[in-house]
Amino acid sequence: GDSVTQMEGPVTLSEEAFLTINCTYTATGYPSLFWYVQYPGEGLQLLLKATKADDKGSNKGFEATYRKETTSFHLEKGSVQVSDSAVYFCALSRSGGSNYKLTFGKGTLLTVNP
Amino acid sequence: EAGVTQFPSHSVIEKGQTVTLRCDPISGHDNLYWYRRVMGKEIKFLLHFVKESKQDESGMPNNRFLAERTGGTYSTLKVQPAELEDSGVYFCASRGLGTGELFFGEGSRLTVL
Repeated sequence: GDSVTQMEGPVTLSEEAFLTINCTYTATGYPSLFWYVQYPGEGLQLLLKATKADDKGSNKGFEATYRKETTSFHLEKGSVQVSDSAVYFCALSRSGGSNYKLTFGKGTLLTVNP
Repeated sequence: EAGVTQFPSHSVIEKGQTVTLRCDPISGHDNLYWYRRVMGKEIKFLLHFVKESKQDESGMPNNRFLAERTGGTYSTLKVQPAELEDSGVYFCASRGLGTGELFFGEGSRLTVL
């Protein structure tokens, strides 16, 4: 079945450091890939997405590129801020179907210190 | 516009008791999903409603879980009787027709003692 593996946390960085959170997936066909973020006390929010190979999703300074050859969708940000502290979830969807059911990774807790 | 709201935000119950979680989707969203995150594990799909009909309930763990969406508006998820392994955060999400984005609520944390 489908699965998503993302790097174990927690990740602790200083402000302005470079961030990478690795994500790889297993799925048949051509899934859509997502990064969701959960800030403290809030619900999951869609951060960015990519629907086909070589697409780059970007939002709020975060980027991720859909790499089919390595089945990866790593999240990167060049300079993190304290406000980026949150839990980040990589996910995929068999968007060829009509239900948009998501398969998630375990989540990575990011803490950014001033 | 109000987002997806869930109630209660946290519930603590004894093993064997019953708990009912409620989700109010974004107004007009026909698609409603329930997910669950058990401590340290992935967020797992439970089921999907289209209006009042269960489109996919393949993720429901067992018959102690009952989800309803009468009238196609809000949904409830009842756990009866609750077991220790049911502890976790239950997320609800909704999606409008023809759109691909799921909007999630803050989740309901369930602790079974």
